[in-house]
Amino acid sequence: EIVMTQSPATLSVSPGERATVSCRASQSASSNLAWYQQKPGQAPRLLIYGASTRATGIPARFSGSGSGTEFTLTISSLQSEDFAVYYCQQYNNWPLTFGPGTKVDIK
Amino acid sequence: EVQLLESGGGLVQPGGSLRLSCAASGFTFSSYDMNWVRQAPGKGLEWVSTISGSVGSTYYADSVKGRFTISRDNSKNTLYLQMNSLRAEDTAVYYCAKDRAPGIIFDMWGQGTMVTVSS
Repeated sequence: EIVMTQSPATLSVSPGERATVSCRASQSASSNLAWYQQKPGQAPRLLIYGASTRATGIPARFSGSGSGTEFTLTISSLQSEDFAVYYCQQYNNWPLTFGPGTKVDIK
Repeated sequence: EVQLLESGGGLVQPGGSLRLSCAASGFTFSSYDMNWVRQAPGKGLEWVSTISGSVGSTYYADSVKGRFTISRDNSKNTLYLQMNSLRAEDTAVYYCAKDRAPGIIFDMWGQGTMVTVSS
C-alpha cells in the first residue's frame, strides 16, 4: 500500500498570500496524483489530476507539480473561498489512498 | 448537469446491515467506473470500493473486504453498496463518486449519506 503524508497539517495564510502544500508518497506514484478541496459540511471537489492538470472550472491560481514521491499544490494568491482542507490522493496502485489532509486557515 | 444522490444511510446496530444507493444523472452512467469513499466524523477521506463501468470488475479496501459489496444497475443509473457485519469503525459519511478516466480520479461527488453504527 502506498502511504501518503502531507505537510504541514495546518497552514495559516493571509488573503492574497501564496500557500504551498506538500504531499509525499511512500513509494512512487508516478504522476498519478490528484488534489481535492473540502469545505466544512461539503463534499470534496477535484482540483488537480495527473499531478499538474487543473480540473474543469478550477481557477488558474491553483497549480500542481511533482512526480514520483514528491508533490506540491500551490495556491498563488489566496482568496477567501480557498480556506479549506486539501487532500492528495494517489491512483497509481490499489488500494487507492489519500493523504491525511492540510487545513489552510486564515492568519 | 452531473448529479449524484445518495440515500440509505441511518443508525444501525453493530453486526447489522445497510444498503446504500446512489442515483446518477447527467452523464452516461454505464460508461464510467463508480466509487464509494467515506469520511469518519472529523477525519480524512478513505476509499472504500470501485466498480468498473461495463465489465463490473470490483475492488475493495482491506478494511471492508468480505463485508461490503459494491454493485450497479446500469438500466437504473444506480450504484449500490451493501454493507454487512457493520462495526463501530464503519461510522462515516459515505460519498458516491464518479470516476474521471484515465485512472481512478473522483471528479464528481454526491452530497453524502451518514451511516452510524452504534448500540
